[in-house]
Amino acid sequence: EPEVTQTPSHQVTQMGQEVILRCVPISNHLYFYWYRQILGQKVEFLVSFYNNEISEKSEIFDDQFSVERPDGSNFTLKIRSTKLEDSAMYFCASSVPGDYGYTFGSGTRLTVV
Amino acid sequence: AQSVTQPDIHITVSEGASLELRCNYSYGATPYLFWYVQSPGQGLQLLLKYFSGDTLVQGIKGFEAEFKRSQSSFNLRKPSVHWSDAAEYFCAVAARSNDYKLSFGAGTTVTVRA
Repeated sequence: EPEVTQTPSHQVTQMGQEVILRCVPISNHLYFYWYRQILGQKVEFLVSFYNNEISEKSEIFDDQFSVERPDGSNFTLKIRSTKLEDSAMYFCASSVPGDYGYTFGSGTRLTVV
Repeated sequence: AQSVTQPDIHITVSEGASLELRCNYSYGATPYLFWYVQSPGQGLQLLLKYFSGDTLVQGIKGFEAEFKRSQSSFNLRKPSVHWSDAAEYFCAVAARSNDYKLSFGAGTTVTVRA
């Protein structure tokens, strides 16, 4: 069964450093998403991406965040200057048009120290 | 305000017993409804989804869910729980009013005792 692949599974970074979280969506999917789950809290929407541009973003997704699909297969989330409160599990997801039951990756646990 | 509520934070059930997880939503129209499961250290796996039609939906791993419009509910059930069902379960909705973004409930942690 096709999978959404995320790397790395765990990342520890110092506050103020840049991090890039990587995702390989399912190949025939056209919509891509990032969600975040702070420990003990709800899974929250960050951003959706379609046709090589952001289609929607949440209030969480401020200027410190950016997304890119650099080569037609990878989908990345960059945090320019990490803060302690960015520590969370970050999930990538993808879907085909009309199917809102996204396929999620296994997540990247980001720890900012 | 639009919301997804899972009233039970934690449920403990004996292996072989039945399980029911509650989910209520508050949206203007019937949204698309989903249940996801997250095992420890793992990602979110889709158990089942409801878009329209038969209000009793069958999913993977022996789970089913019933959409009840009158109660704005989409409760998840399993007749006989296995130890491997210990996980966190999330109800989620996608609605036109929310541009079809997935909105998640807070989750219910299921513990299975032998």
